[in-house]
Amino acid sequence: DAGVIQSPRHEVTEMGQEVTLRCKPISGHNSLFWYRQTMMRGLELLIYFNNNVPIDDSGMPEDRFSAKMPNASFSTLKIQPSEPRDSAVYFCASSFADRVTEAFFGQGTRLTVV
Amino acid sequence: GESVGLHLPTLSVQEGDNSIINCAYSNSASDYFIWYKQESGKGPQFIIDIRSNMDKRQGQRVTVLLNKTVKHLSLQIAATQPGDSAVYFCAENRSGNTPLVFGKGTRLSVIA
Repeated sequence: DAGVIQSPRHEVTEMGQEVTLRCKPISGHNSLFWYRQTMMRGLELLIYFNNNVPIDDSGMPEDRFSAKMPNASFSTLKIQPSEPRDSAVYFCASSFADRVTEAFFGQGTRLTVV
Repeated sequence: GESVGLHLPTLSVQEGDNSIINCAYSNSASDYFIWYKQESGKGPQFIIDIRSNMDKRQGQRVTVLLNKTVKHLSLQIAATQPGDSAVYFCAENRSGNTPLVFGKGTRLSVIA
């Protein structure tokens, strides 16, 4: 298995633009997590899904952020409109629902909003 | 508040020496405690976990110790190698299938 695949690896966009981050979890995993990493705040959970259903989105900063998981092999995180303070590395991770301690992370998407 | 934190932000060790990375936690109800390693430009990678009813668990070159009395977790790396240079995060899992809560991380630098 190729592991968790995220795209793009890097994204530079102008303030106000829409940004869509993509994630393909490991086949067979039924939990998917979106984290954001910054120097100041570390790794923060944004939202997670079990069996494609959003369970907890309390970590999503505000209404500008939205996430979907239309099927077991794909998820998106969208920011609209983007702001400079959204600049961070966004990680997607997946795991078996009964083994979340061993989550597998993607390489991350480094987002820069200018 | 409930959080997972770290005693030291950076740690430098000589190649071949043992490394000890420490972590303090405040949530007594957590079920599992976990260590992750993050190399530059990569996502975090699972190293080892320990259930709250244990006080020690060993893996390959790594040992995790849990002291529930003082709410302290440590990761010991034996014979540290240059490839061990990374940021190490402790994390907690409150119950079965809830997501991990990560601490801020400790950067380990191995001096050749």
